[in-house]
Amino acid sequence: EAGVTQSPTHLIKTRGQQATLRCSPISGHTSVYWYQQALGLGLQFLLWYDEGEERNRGNFPPRFSGRQFPNYSSELNVNALELEDSALYLCASSSREGPNQPQHFGDGTRLSIL
Amino acid sequence: AQSVTQLDSHVSVSEGTPVLLRCNYSSSYSPSLFWYVQHPNKGLQLLLKYTSAATLVKGINGFEAEFKKSETSFHLTKPSAHMSDAAEYFCVVSDWGGTALIFGKGTTLSVSS
Repeated sequence: EAGVTQSPTHLIKTRGQQATLRCSPISGHTSVYWYQQALGLGLQFLLWYDEGEERNRGNFPPRFSGRQFPNYSSELNVNALELEDSALYLCASSSREGPNQPQHFGDGTRLSIL
Repeated sequence: AQSVTQLDSHVSVSEGTPVLLRCNYSSSYSPSLFWYVQHPNKGLQLLLKYTSAATLVKGINGFEAEFKKSETSFHLTKPSAHMSDAAEYFCVVSDWGGTALIFGKGTTLSVSS
């Protein structure tokens, strides 16, 4: 069974640009979660999508947004990039709605802002 | 509000000795608790999960954790460390109600030969 896949592996942007990160969940999983792992800040929840709808959002500004497609894959968009957005962005998927289900993580996209 | 505190930021053990990674949680509901492991430049892998069944939970790679409600703890243990266990370990709490996973700050486990 293929795991959660994320692309690209690395992404280098400059301040003010926009970044798009992509995630394909495990086949059969309908929930997709996004997390930011920034140095010194730990892992923080960003967004949760299920069945194409945004179900929950972490404490991040509106320039962090995303969507989930009919095939359950997901995009995370970050607009007006700032230096502090440099981090590893992890995507996870689970088989049923709800954060109580085990989440399966991809290897992440490392976003670097110059 | 739910929270989780990992009591040690770094634990060092010798290969073949026991591992203890400590975690305390705070939750206003009956919690679901998880331990995840992250190897360098990798995503997170689920080690084990507690969801109000048996208080002693067995996970992968010989790890286990015991849920102690009276102490609000969920410590992770392994009888004998292996070099491949060296990684970052996260204790995670989740409450049903739409809140996503809340991660502890992580414990780095170093294993020396």
